[in-house]
Amino acid sequence: DAGVTQSPTHLIKTRGQQVTLRCSPKSGHDTVSWYQQALGQGPQFIFQYYEEEERQRGNFPDRFSGHQFPNYSSELNVNALLLGDSALYLCASSFLRGLDTEAFFGQGTRLTVV
Amino acid sequence: AQRVTQPEKLLSVFKGAPVELKCNYSYSGSPELFWYVQYSRQRLQLLLRHISRESIKGFTADLNKGETSFHLKKPFAQEEDSAMYYCALSYYGNNRLAFGKGNQVVVIP
Repeated sequence: DAGVTQSPTHLIKTRGQQVTLRCSPKSGHDTVSWYQQALGQGPQFIFQYYEEEERQRGNFPDRFSGHQFPNYSSELNVNALLLGDSALYLCASSFLRGLDTEAFFGQGTRLTVV
Repeated sequence: AQRVTQPEKLLSVFKGAPVELKCNYSYSGSPELFWYVQYSRQRLQLLLRHISRESIKGFTADLNKGETSFHLKKPFAQEEDSAMYYCALSYYGNNRLAFGKGNQVVVIP
């Protein structure tokens, strides 16, 4: 099991562009959460997907949107990129209905907006 | 709103010395508390959680609801403990995690 995989690992975009980040959860997991980690900060919760629906959302603008597919993989989309969107984006997966709900993290996608 | 506070950004300790990382939280309900660790060039991973009451790699953490704290301790630091440590809480029992800003631990040989 490769665990949680994210792609791409690094990305450079221009202000105003749109970006899509991808996440494949750990085998057996049904829930995907996305986090933004700015330099020197802890991860900040963006949103969580379960059963192909956004179940919870943190304090992020509507420019941040996502999707979960039937195979539980997920995408994070960010429109109209701002310089402040530069960060490490982490995906975490878990099994919501399981006895052990530990969240497993991917390596992250480093997004740089110029 | 929930908040996790880790007051010290950088902690340098000598090998064999005790380590204590402080974590305080504010939350109105009954949260679940965690410590996550990130070693150099590795992904964020769970170190321990308060409900399991385990000692992992010599680390322990006790939830003190009166002081709303979940401090991480290890009596004798090892070089391999050098890493970034994040305290986190979840609520609603659904793995939405709120993280502190993290502590960089450097163990000096």
